Amino acid sequence: LAKTTQPISMDSYEGQEVNITCSHNNIATNDYITWYQQFPSQGPRFIIQGYKTKVTNEVASLFIPADRKSSTLSLPRVSLSDTAVYYCLVVRSGSSNTGKLIFGQGTTLQVKP
Amino acid sequence: ETGVTQTPRHLVMGMTNKKSLKCEQHLGHNAMYWYKQSAKKPLELMFVYNFKEQTENNSVPSRFSPECPNSSHLFLHLHTLQPEDSALYLCASSQDPPGTVFRGTGELFFGEGSRLTVL
Repeated sequence: LAKTTQPISMDSYEGQEVNITCSHNNIATNDYITWYQQFPSQGPRFIIQGYKTKVTNEVASLFIPADRKSSTLSLPRVSLSDTAVYYCLVVRSGSSNTGKLIFGQGTTLQVKP
Repeated sequence: ETGVTQTPRHLVMGMTNKKSLKCEQHLGHNAMYWYKQSAKKPLELMFVYNFKEQTENNSVPSRFSPECPNSSHLFLHLHTLQPEDSALYLCASSQDPPGTVFRGTGELFFGEGSRLTVL
């Protein structure tokens, strides 16, 4: 599966929009991009998944350019409670048991008042 | 509440003790996972089970012994651990086969974790 690269940390202030970019240069045709959020001492939680263009849900938006070699998680108007680690993963479509759900270092987002 | 329950939430054990961590999922999933998260480190995948069969052992020392008696339950048996094994141990399950998007999004549902301290 494609390796992902994302910034180690980011700072923001309450009310701002935060964009976290992830690189996945070797993404394959049947790969999906998935983002998770993890609060301290808790398990990660699925946020959003996309294949191409734009996906939006009640939590975030995910922008994927045409070449799919990167993706950007956008969090609108963050609050202090959005302080967490955000992970970008690539997941392969299909039914075969060949995938490995590997979490990298993630991006630690610190939201300040 | 994610539908994945881990017990105990906190465990303190000596290096000569034998203990077990338990994970139960009420989601009807067939894939289950153990992850380890040490302080300030990324999540480390330890074991993967699919339909009760172990499909992944990520070079985990033998002092960690997993057991999956059925698709709803997963155990991690611990014996003669070292202080560096102190960590948060997370269990997860998924509807889709490990690491894949098939019938759903491949989403992992995590438990709250078991915080292990080895003295």
